[in-house]
Amino acid sequence: EAGVTQFPSHSVIEKGQTVTLRCDPISGHDNLYWYRRVMGKEIKFLLHFVKESKQDESGMPNNRFLAERTGGTYSTLKVQPAELEDSGVYFCASSQSLAGKSEQFFGPGTRLTVL
Amino acid sequence: GENVEQHPSTLSVQEGDSAVIKCTYSDSASNYFPWYKQELGKGPQLIIDIRSNVGEKKDQRIAVTLNKTAKHFSLHITETQPEDSAVYFCAVYLDSWGKLQFGAGTQVVVTP
Repeated sequence: EAGVTQFPSHSVIEKGQTVTLRCDPISGHDNLYWYRRVMGKEIKFLLHFVKESKQDESGMPNNRFLAERTGGTYSTLKVQPAELEDSGVYFCASSQSLAGKSEQFFGPGTRLTVL
Repeated sequence: GENVEQHPSTLSVQEGDSAVIKCTYSDSASNYFPWYKQELGKGPQLIIDIRSNVGEKKDQRIAVTLNKTAKHFSLHITETQPEDSAVYFCAVYLDSWGKLQFGAGTQVVVTP
């Protein structure tokens, strides 16, 4: 069974540009989470989808970040326009149970560098 | 809100020795505490977890202990091996929907 995949693995962009990150969860997983780790600090929650609906987006830094999950399958996270402080590793995770406490499986992450 | 502190930030051990990583949390209502291991180039992977009705849990060379009164939990790795070298994160579930609060991570290096 394929795990969580993320694309791209690395992205280097200039301040002011737009970047879109993609996450493909494990097939059949209704829960999809986005997290971010900045500069060796803790991994921070960004948002949570249940199928195609946003359950919790309290961790989204500001309105430059837009997440979507079309048809409840893959998800995209767009940053527009990117700022220097957006640099970090963006992780996606998925879990099966709607109860929310089943194991979260993480993707390998997308390392974003904003110059 | 919940605050999770993790120590140490780096840990170097000789192969065969034990490693201990400690985390403290602030919300006494928290009741589920997973530990993740992140190897180079990969995402975090769940290695062990503990619920608040249990004080200790073991899985081969890995164990986790929980002290709810003191609000801290620890990861113990015995007989460390080079493949244990990784970044380890403690975490706390913030709500019933699986939202996780992570510690800052511990870089463990096992030297032969």
